[in-house]
Amino acid sequence: GAVVSQHPSRVICKSGTSVKIECRSLDFQATTMFWYRQFPKQSLMLMATSNEGSKATYEQGVEKDKFLINHASLTLSTLTVTSAHPEDSSFYICSASGPAGRENTEAFFGQGTRLTVV
Amino acid sequence: AQTVTQSQPEMSVQEAETVTLSCTYDTSESDYYLFWYKQPPSRQMILVIRQEAYKQQNATENRFSVNFQKAAKSFSLKISDSQLGDAAMYFCAYINFGNEKLTFGTGTRLTIIP
Repeated sequence: GAVVSQHPSRVICKSGTSVKIECRSLDFQATTMFWYRQFPKQSLMLMATSNEGSKATYEQGVEKDKFLINHASLTLSTLTVTSAHPEDSSFYICSASGPAGRENTEAFFGQGTRLTVV
Repeated sequence: AQTVTQSQPEMSVQEAETVTLSCTYDTSESDYYLFWYKQPPSRQMILVIRQEAYKQQNATENRFSVNFQKAAKSFSLKISDSQLGDAAMYFCAYINFGNEKLTFGTGTRLTIIP
């Protein structure tokens, strides 16, 4: 299957600083990527849809100025948590849909990033 | 809007036995896909099995099989010969064909008893 790489896997940052998480599709072009947040023992909560070459679409209740998403190329999307606070500590996961086509309809996930804000 | 419901927050099964995880969904669409994803302690999401709604035959992948009941909007996962490595959170998910946004259920935590 297609490979999505997410980096870093763990990051600790000080309150008030910003942190960037990268999501790369390694062997296919992803026009759309998705960013999720997962609280302990809960399901994945979609934060935003990242579209290559255009603005991201944010889900209701997600602060677009806090969670900046950039999708500069067909293989890279970034999520920047700006002015991070302890309540932003969470597990963040990206995904990308496979190449177009009925047989490729599925999502491929990055390894996730555990963010701890101290 | 589509919804996915997993009514079993936790399940446990004896090693080598069979367990079935339940999932129901609601949609007005006719062309869609259903998935079961596994999330082990590493938290990497792993695709277990996929079902196309237009296919009547139930999908199978080795020890994993589904019971897809389109009219009832039910999509259960059967794990045969359960192994310790099957212990994980299992998420049922839905996607419309042509729309890449996944809708997840709340998950079922599966414990394997040695």
